[in-house]
Amino acid sequence: ETGVTQTPRHLVMGMTNKKSLKCEQHLGHNAMYWYKQSAKKPLELMFVYSLEERVENNSVPSRFSPECPNSSHLFLHLHTLQPEDSALYLCASSQDYHTGWYGYTFGSGTRLTVV
Amino acid sequence: AQSVTQLGSHVSVSEGALVLLRCNYSSSVPPYLFWYVQYPNQGLQLLLKYTTGATLVKGINGFEAEFKKSETSFHLTKPSAHMSDAAEYFCAVSVEGGETSGSRLTFGEGTQLTVNP
Repeated sequence: ETGVTQTPRHLVMGMTNKKSLKCEQHLGHNAMYWYKQSAKKPLELMFVYSLEERVENNSVPSRFSPECPNSSHLFLHLHTLQPEDSALYLCASSQDYHTGWYGYTFGSGTRLTVV
Repeated sequence: AQSVTQLGSHVSVSEGALVLLRCNYSSSVPPYLFWYVQYPNQGLQLLLKYTTGATLVKGINGFEAEFKKSETSFHLTKPSAHMSDAAEYFCAVSVEGGETSGSRLTFGEGTQLTVNP
């Protein structure tokens, strides 16, 4: 049990579908992150939330829409995706956005396949 | 801004042999250093971290790493490899954030470890 739970674990969606990825943490952390991990590419930080406020958006296409309704939950809403969006999407949390020594706790990821 | 370089995207060792995964960092202020492991289709799991104090850090699964400031390195070692150690390993660095800036965890590109029987 990592303390960060992602659902679903696997998702296959068509390019015209709308789906959402969910992330939940029970660690009392104040910051949450979305990462994209594609084969043979470095980890890509997509979004950062601190105390439910989006503080970083790293040039992510608008077909990805994050939502953080409270400090324990993070969503990634997906619509009209492209095949190149197929990847492992990782959620992470940290104790505090400004604290460097803690590191991040990761969920197990959602393997997304766009067909 | 800080950065991490992992030397060798693939490392192959025999079961029972020494594991050495190399990581060098760049930071203008004292860094915090981390090693994470990722098994296929899983998230990243923290192996160990250096924050302050003792420079030799012990982690889970028999791994350890030594912070060498003069060499700006944080290499990961394990005396005897096991088949279950086969995975991808990520080195990461962060620094303390300021009042208006966050603390970014910057990852290396990863090293895939293969353990041969």
